[in-house]
Amino acid sequence: DVKVTQSSRYLVKRTGEKVFLECVQDMDHENMFWYRQDPGLGLRLIYFSYDVKMKEKGDIPEGYSVSREKKERFSLILESASTNQTSMYLCASAQKGVRTGELFFGEGSRLTVL
Amino acid sequence: DQQVKQNSPSLSVQEGRISILNCDYTNSMFDYFLWYKKYPAEGPTFLISISSIKDKNEDGRFTVFLNKSAKHLSLHIVPSQPGDSAVYFCAASVKHQAGTALIFGKGTTLSVSS
Repeated sequence: DVKVTQSSRYLVKRTGEKVFLECVQDMDHENMFWYRQDPGLGLRLIYFSYDVKMKEKGDIPEGYSVSREKKERFSLILESASTNQTSMYLCASAQKGVRTGELFFGEGSRLTVL
Repeated sequence: DQQVKQNSPSLSVQEGRISILNCDYTNSMFDYFLWYKKYPAEGPTFLISISSIKDKNEDGRFTVFLNKSAKHLSLHIVPSQPGDSAVYFCAASVKHQAGTALIFGKGTTLSVSS
């Protein structure tokens, strides 16, 4: 079974803090993604990566950066957290070349910024 | 502008009846469509998909229908069970220069009462 593990299920941070959200997958997938889920807005793509050290902007990259130093790990970084970044963050991975684009998701990290 | 639209935020059905969840899209270049199911505090899980060259795909109680001319797809659940109560996301697969990503709708919350 594919396992995508997000390091923290629940975080509470203060405005202006630097926040790291870590994601690890164990299926040797090339592709990894970060989404955020907000009520009434669905899942929105923040960043994705198709290879180590590669990154591509999604639909809402502002205020975020990412790091992919190893194939199995994809980190989302909030350089200076703001209250509008309070959300559920979902990491996903996918095998390269799968035309359907089926993603495997982690359980999510719920971030509250005070 | 939303490319994948789920216009019904919620749906309530009785156990044993049919649930029909709808999804509309605007981009005729989408080549795969997927449905994901999400329980609270968990990541989305893949449910069923359909290629743009097909008009129907069935998997047990779940059937997805695709009407390309209307740019519309629907998920049918028959018979509905209380355990089906969840948020359902429609997603479309889109090719980027470096790979494939999913665009999600806003989701429909299904409540199945016993």
